[in-house]
Amino acid sequence: KNEVEQSPQNLTAQEGEFITINCSYSVGISALHWLQQHPGGGIVSLFMLSSGKKKHGRLIATINIQEKHSSLHITASHPRDSAVYICAVSPGSGTYKYIFGTGTRLKVLA
Amino acid sequence: DSGVTQTPKHLITATGQRVTLRCSPRSGDLSVYWYQQSLDQGLQFLIQYYNGEERAKGNILERFSAQQFPDLHSELNLSSLELGDSALYFCASSPRDRAYNEQFFGPGTRLTVL
Repeated sequence: KNEVEQSPQNLTAQEGEFITINCSYSVGISALHWLQQHPGGGIVSLFMLSSGKKKHGRLIATINIQEKHSSLHITASHPRDSAVYICAVSPGSGTYKYIFGTGTRLKVLA
Repeated sequence: DSGVTQTPKHLITATGQRVTLRCSPRSGDLSVYWYQQSLDQGLQFLIQYYNGEERAKGNILERFSAQQFPDLHSELNLSSLELGDSALYFCASSPRDRAYNEQFFGPGTRLTVL
């Protein structure tokens, strides 16, 4: 079992839909990160969370430390949101690497 | 633009060869991380350097090595290349060597081994 699990693996939505991507982890963490990888391959950091909720534009990220679970929400989805969304954790064990989920491939249709 | 640069963007080579990938971190960042992204494995941590010293090792093969130079740029050397080494190689940088780090990713180098 992977230390970081994401669901769903693939998601197709119609423009305007509300989208939720889930991430569960099994290790102690100091932070959780949501990353976006566009079809060209580049990776962009969307959020870094250690508690609560963060919002940036149409994107909202939440984390529940007790349940070891995070969600990324996209409101009013748009075709330009089509990308792979990756959850990554910074373990709290003193190592500074990221541990990655397998990613969620999102396609938003016009 | 994250401020992290990687060269080359694409690299095509043959099995058994050796290549060097280069990464320049954001100005002021002391930590550099290398990651490999292959189709079947997803993103995997390879190695981290902080201010010239190796800090953490992940799933890095013995055929691979890295170093960070005094000007803080880093190089990842891949030798005796195999078909399975074909992947996207990312480097990322962060200001310090702390667990609560945000990392900034470079655009990646796509390596194809034929």
